Amino acid sequence: RKEVEQDPGPFNVPEGATVAFNCTYSNSASQSFFWYRQDCRKEPKLLMSVYSSGNEDGRFTAQLNRASQYISLLIRDSKLSDSATYLCVVNDPGGYNKLIFGAGTRLAVHP
Amino acid sequence: EPEVTQTPSHQVTQMGQEVILRCVPISNHLYFYWYRQILGQKVEFLVSFYNNEISEKSEIFDDQFSVERPDGSNFTLKIRSTKLEDSAMYFCASSEQGLYGYTFGSGTRLTVV
Repeated sequence: RKEVEQDPGPFNVPEGATVAFNCTYSNSASQSFFWYRQDCRKEPKLLMSVYSSGNEDGRFTAQLNRASQYISLLIRDSKLSDSATYLCVVNDPGGYNKLIFGAGTRLAVHP
Repeated sequence: EPEVTQTPSHQVTQMGQEVILRCVPISNHLYFYWYRQILGQKVEFLVSFYNNEISEKSEIFDDQFSVERPDGSNFTLKIRSTKLEDSAMYFCASSEQGLYGYTFGSGTRLTVV
């Protein structure tokens, strides 16, 4: 089983749509969870951390279900500029500040 | 906004040659990392560095790889004898408080021919 699994997509959505991405992680001992955004051939950039109670940052909402080892990201009112690959990232509980990345879900927002 | 700086942005080298990838982490950060991403694949951890020594390294980080903080600002990754399969984007990152506040540099694209 992969450490962090994501649907690769692509998700093709019109501007203004709501889109949701899911992610599962294999190690129940992971304690830190993140969504990163990566534009083509660029570095990963932190979009948001994910907290147990769920959290929101503008149009972005992240949820965590520890029992199911499941993380989600909801994007409301999609913009053209949201087109990117969204990376689900968790910490390696056996590691020292080590991040484990999923392969990413590609989003394409069209006019 | 503070940033992690990496040079060069693109390096082409012949198989068997040594390369040094350079990084300047954010000045007040204490934790430094190298990750790599082979084209079309996921980002993978290589090594973490704290207090002038390696904290952890992955299976990928074998004897051909080494890291150094030669002066107080630079953080380098050396690949001693490059192989074709070392072709990838190499990202340096730094953080002030461990897992939170990770900032990645813009990467060095290494092409081994």
